[in-house]
Amino acid sequence: KNQVEQSPQSLIILEGKNCTLQCNYTVSPFSNLRWYKQDTGRGPVSLTIMTFSENTKSNGRYTATLDADTKQSSLHITASQLSDSASYICVVFDSGNTPLVFGKGTRLSVIA
Amino acid sequence: DGGITQSPKYLFRKEGQNVTLSCEQNLNHDAMYWYRQDPGQGLRLIYYSQIVNDFQKGDIAEGYSVSREKKESFPLTVTSAQKNPTAFYLCASSLGVADTQYFGPGTRLTVL
Repeated sequence: KNQVEQSPQSLIILEGKNCTLQCNYTVSPFSNLRWYKQDTGRGPVSLTIMTFSENTKSNGRYTATLDADTKQSSLHITASQLSDSASYICVVFDSGNTPLVFGKGTRLSVIA
Repeated sequence: DGGITQSPKYLFRKEGQNVTLSCEQNLNHDAMYWYRQDPGQGLRLIYYSQIVNDFQKGDIAEGYSVSREKKESFPLTVTSAQKNPTAFYLCASSLGVADTQYFGPGTRLTVL
């Protein structure tokens, strides 16, 4: 069964610190992997999308990595801000004509 | 002003009543989706539509119904057969199923 597992489930960090969120998947065949940010009570917003051939992609202070061999991805947040407090969701597309497989997300809290 | 809209933001209904959630997009996207999100849980797919007049069941379609009579609209009806309808409902759209999904702001349904 196609699955996406994220860790940690929740994380609390001080403002200005860096953090890394993990995503492991068993989706096959793999097409692409996306990271979304979801603020409380809002819809998710796409941060980045990575295809099989991409190892690293940045979007401002967010950097996503992908290792298609080990089926792992990470999202690194640099110099965290209070506004980074949200759930971060890893989503994988299996290149079939079916919708995406969502992880349960990591709940990040940035405190002053 | 392009985007995807959902209405209302909050909805209250008595147990046993059917209720319809609205989702409209003016992004000219072919694909539209309905997800359900419960506290501490990931997004679960209810129904999706790849093209007008066609839709497919997702992982948790029981107790829900949809229609796709127009490209711009994909309403979701929560029927009295849905055992636990209280949840946060998210609608999304994308050019095709392989493309980035854009989410609406969500509707929080509470059944009393």
